[in-house]
Amino acid sequence: SQQGEEDPQALSIQEGENATMNCSYKTSINNLQWYRQNSGRGLVHLILIRSNEREKHSGRLRVTLDTSKKSSSLLITASRAADTASYFCATDDTGTASKLTFGTGTRLQVTL
Amino acid sequence: DAGITQSPRYKITETGRQVTLMCHQTWSHSYMFWYRQDLGHGLRLIYYSAAADITDKGEVPDGYVVSRSKTENFPLTLESATRSQTSVYFCASSQVGGKETQYFGPGTRLLVL
Repeated sequence: SQQGEEDPQALSIQEGENATMNCSYKTSINNLQWYRQNSGRGLVHLILIRSNEREKHSGRLRVTLDTSKKSSSLLITASRAADTASYFCATDDTGTASKLTFGTGTRLQVTL
Repeated sequence: DAGITQSPRYKITETGRQVTLMCHQTWSHSYMFWYRQDLGHGLRLIYYSAAADITDKGEVPDGYVVSRSKTENFPLTLESATRSQTSVYFCASSQVGGKETQYFGPGTRLLVL
């Protein structure tokens, strides 16, 4: 069963625009992560935000976390064609199992 | 530094055959994971391992077997392949713990005919 659900499933924007994708989850978490997957490749970790953090930045990435709404958003500013990829959120849970649960992803297409 | 590698990258097999997918990491990470990725399902955890000789089932373990005799290797075996196991398989590792950052291999595309 999916813990994280991304929205939208697909997003198409032009280069230079901002891209926002959202993740909702179901249970209490310790942290939430975002990963990128280029076509035909493995996932690459982008950013981790802990449950006691509300916002985090990394370069052109901004992640927010609202634990009361069980949701997170990933903002990519000034998108580039190279940002074209699928983006996944991943959550742990507050239980003892050392694992993550991934959502189904948002496919981002950035056109020139 | 190779990081995390998977072999083979592509595999075609027939129903009923045994297939082993290999995963090797050079970081000495404690945790290793196997996922499968299918359209509409995202990534689903098959098995994971916290250390050598310690393995646990994930969300979809049926039909798969894992072992971890050495920290750096985590092979995944399909004992009797079925068409429903056609998928892309990803291995990942984590240094600190399974809830922290995971580093993924390039994937193995498996087609079961």
